[in-house]
Amino acid sequence: QKEVEQNSGPLSVPEGAIASLNCTYSDRGSQSFFWYRQYSGKSPELIMFIYSNGDKEDGRFTAQLNKASQYVSLLIRDSQPSDSATYLCAVKIQGAQKLVFGQGTRLTINP
Amino acid sequence: GAVVSQHPSWVICKSGTSVKIECRSLDFQATTMFWYRQFPKQSLMLMATSNEGSKATYEQGVEKDKFLINHASLTLSTLTVTSAHPEDSSFYICSLLPGQGAQEQYFGPGTRLTVT
Repeated sequence: QKEVEQNSGPLSVPEGAIASLNCTYSDRGSQSFFWYRQYSGKSPELIMFIYSNGDKEDGRFTAQLNKASQYVSLLIRDSQPSDSATYLCAVKIQGAQKLVFGQGTRLTINP
Repeated sequence: GAVVSQHPSWVICKSGTSVKIECRSLDFQATTMFWYRQFPKQSLMLMATSNEGSKATYEQGVEKDKFLINHASLTLSTLTVTSAHPEDSSFYICSLLPGQGAQEQYFGPGTRLTVT
């Protein structure tokens, strides 16, 4: 079992709809959870991170964390074509500096 | 967020030569930097963790004698790919933790290496 799993997609969502991206992780000692966006040919850029159970909102983005079920999700409201990218979920284990990345979900927003 | 630069942004070299990639933190003193490699349509693969003033910690399967990392100062880390081969062609990306206690990593723009 991979440490961090994401559906590779592609996930297609119509413009203006809500895009929902999911990620599960295997290590219960995981402490911090990150969502990065990566456009083709570019490096990842941080969207948001979450530490505590529940929801965290930042503009059109909401991260949701459920440690009991070991999943973290990212919701994108009012999806725009510019949101089309690969979304990477990353997990940091307590006491470690490094991040463990999922394989990424490719999201396409259709105009 | 932190501003990270990488140089060069792309490089083409001949097989057997060495290539040095620089990663600079422009607005933070970064005690810890990371080096990743990404092949087409794959996720990021951590190569090593670089701490200022000490030897880098390499991930399993990464040859430390081939990928030389020097974290020379709090704002500069370099990755040298020695005796490069075509299979080393990849997208190399650095990231850093912007200060003590920081959790989130910020990435440089990446360096695309092509070995012919």
